[in-house]
Amino acid sequence: NAGVTQTPKFQVLKTGQSMTLQCAQDMNHNSMYWYRQDPGMGLRLIYYSASEGTTDKGEVPNGYNVSRLNKREFSLRLESAAPSQTSVYFCASSGRDRGGELFFGEGSRLTVL
Amino acid sequence: GQQVMQIPQYQHVQEGEDFTTYCNSSTTLSNIQWYKQRPGGHPVFLIQLVKSGEVKKQKRLTFQFGEAKKNSSLHITATQTTDVGTYFCAATNTDKLIFGTGTRLQVFP
Repeated sequence: NAGVTQTPKFQVLKTGQSMTLQCAQDMNHNSMYWYRQDPGMGLRLIYYSASEGTTDKGEVPNGYNVSRLNKREFSLRLESAAPSQTSVYFCASSGRDRGGELFFGEGSRLTVL
Repeated sequence: GQQVMQIPQYQHVQEGEDFTTYCNSSTTLSNIQWYKQRPGGHPVFLIQLVKSGEVKKQKRLTFQFGEAKKNSSLHITATQTTDVGTYFCAATNTDKLIFGTGTRLQVFP
């Protein structure tokens, strides 16, 4: 089992460009999450999906869109990247909808110039 | 929305010294989780506490959940260099997990 797989691991964008971060889990989890991590800010929730077909905003959703493509996959899209979106992005999944242990991917380091 | 405050932000200790990080909330928590993130790595689940006053131990790590379920602590006895990393608490808010800001632990040999 690979667990949670994120791609790409690194990406450099210019301001205004778009991109999609991909995430897939093979643990048959219902819930999936996207967090961003900035120095001194901890992990902040961008969007989450409690089950296939549903998505909800987290703490910092502005500038992002998500798609829960199926039970395995949850993608995060930046339509028009801004320097403030330079961060490390983590995808995570959980086996229970409310407060279950989170399994994280390795992270995607995004730089927006 | 629910906020979870974590202190201290940084802690430098000599190997062998003890370390404690604290997590505080203004609202009652249904449960609290703790994660460890090694430098350059991703967060890894350590433990979940659910009951008021609960204390759990994992080798040199002791986790406590306050009686009022508004605070929690992680204590490491006799730190080792392998304990280096950032420790996060996280609390459930409806069906999502909100993380504290983390405590970065540095251990000097």
